Amino acid sequence: EVQLVESGGGLVKPGGSLRLSCAASGFTFSSYSMNWVRQAPGKGLEWVSSISSSSSYIYYADSVKGRFTISRDNAKNSLYLQMNSLRAEDTAVYYCASNPSFWSGYLDYWGQGTLVTVSS
Amino acid sequence: EIVLTQSPGTLSLSPGERATLSCRASQSVSSSYLAWYQQKPGQAPRLLIYGASSRATGIPDRFSGSGSGTDFTLTISRLEPEDFAVYYCQQYGSSRYTFGQGTKLEIK
Repeated sequence: EVQLVESGGGLVKPGGSLRLSCAASGFTFSSYSMNWVRQAPGKGLEWVSSISSSSSYIYYADSVKGRFTISRDNAKNSLYLQMNSLRAEDTAVYYCASNPSFWSGYLDYWGQGTLVTVSS
Repeated sequence: EIVLTQSPGTLSLSPGERATLSCRASQSVSSSYLAWYQQKPGQAPRLLIYGASSRATGIPDRFSGSGSGTDFTLTISRLEPEDFAVYYCQQYGSSRYTFGQGTKLEIK
């Protein structure tokens, strides 16, 4: 059974940093592209970042470029999101999601999410 | 950037009825890169349809997707109680994903 479990969320002050993790199991993690998608309270879904299976391709939404860094450790079956210079508008539930190939165009498995709250 | 507009914003129907949800793109989208998701309160989104019309693993055949170009449709042939949720369309292009604002399907 595919499982994606996010962790690392919490309350942080504006300008602060946070590192999210996503632990994967039940599939060959090193063969899958991975993504972060967020959802502000009561709002819709917003794609944040994608990383290919070997980390060769990395893309970011304009709203987080230069502040967030996606990475992965295939030996540990883990995905990460380093978030710096956090703003109130970054407050959201952050989901990790997989896709079978970098160009498949859809997200097949999702974790349950971790809440990030940016507030003073 | 391609903008996806979903309609209606809210759809009120009864179990057993047919639901038709629309997703319109601001410019043409490759059918290969159009997907639909279902999200229930407090849960993560679940993939329903990819490639505009292919059902994801384990998705009942009452869910179907169609369309091309700028107009896409998700149809639920006979609503079950568990189908009442929010539905999002999503497109992939220029190495990024864009989601529609969602349609809430509620019990009438």
